[in-house]
Amino acid sequence: DQQVKQNSPSLSVQEGRISILNCDYTNSMFDYFLWYKKYPAEGPTFLISISSIKDKNEDGRFTVFLNKSAKHLSLHIVPSQPGDSAVYFCAASGGSNYKLTFGKGTLLTVNP
Amino acid sequence: NAGVTQTPKFRVLKTGQSMTLLCAQDMNHEYMYWYRQDPGMGLRLIHYSVGEGTTAKGEVPDGYNVSRLKKQNFLLGLESAAPSQTSVYFCASSEQQPTGELFFGEGSRLTVL
Repeated sequence: DQQVKQNSPSLSVQEGRISILNCDYTNSMFDYFLWYKKYPAEGPTFLISISSIKDKNEDGRFTVFLNKSAKHLSLHIVPSQPGDSAVYFCAASGGSNYKLTFGKGTLLTVNP
Repeated sequence: NAGVTQTPKFRVLKTGQSMTLLCAQDMNHEYMYWYRQDPGMGLRLIHYSVGEGTTAKGEVPDGYNVSRLKKQNFLLGLESAAPSQTSVYFCASSEQQPTGELFFGEGSRLTVL
């Protein structure tokens, strides 16, 4: 039973355009959501997070939107750059849970 | 500024052999985790620890054991390796949960023949 779903295994966009990565979750106890970026042969690194009391969080070119009623969040990257090419993982935690549950990841390719 | 360090980075084992992966963090974090990453499966939690001397099972704990004798170290052991344990293993640590950011090591690639 996959509690965090990233239904798009890959996404390709042109440099300068917007990248939108989507994530759905099923566990209503989740109240904190994070995005991680992973380059090949490296560990994942934290990108941006959002609490369930908010519906938007922005950090430079990165914005995360949360729709609690739909149990859906998305990561927007504007403008996209070739250096953004990586695997992006959505993760969630909640309640007294001491751990993050990750999605399967989406490979973003930004073409020059 | 080391952060989270994993050793070894690469290892090839034969079926039935045992080994230990070592994770060390220098950030004085309470929480530590072992994940495995497999193609198409994302990151799956094997075991975790909420403090020195504690361990708990994650999603996929079978075939693995862990120990947290010192706050800065988290060891992952395979007593009898199987080909299904071929994977990339990531250790992570965090200051607080459930909202604490995880800091990951660079990964350890294990192949079991």
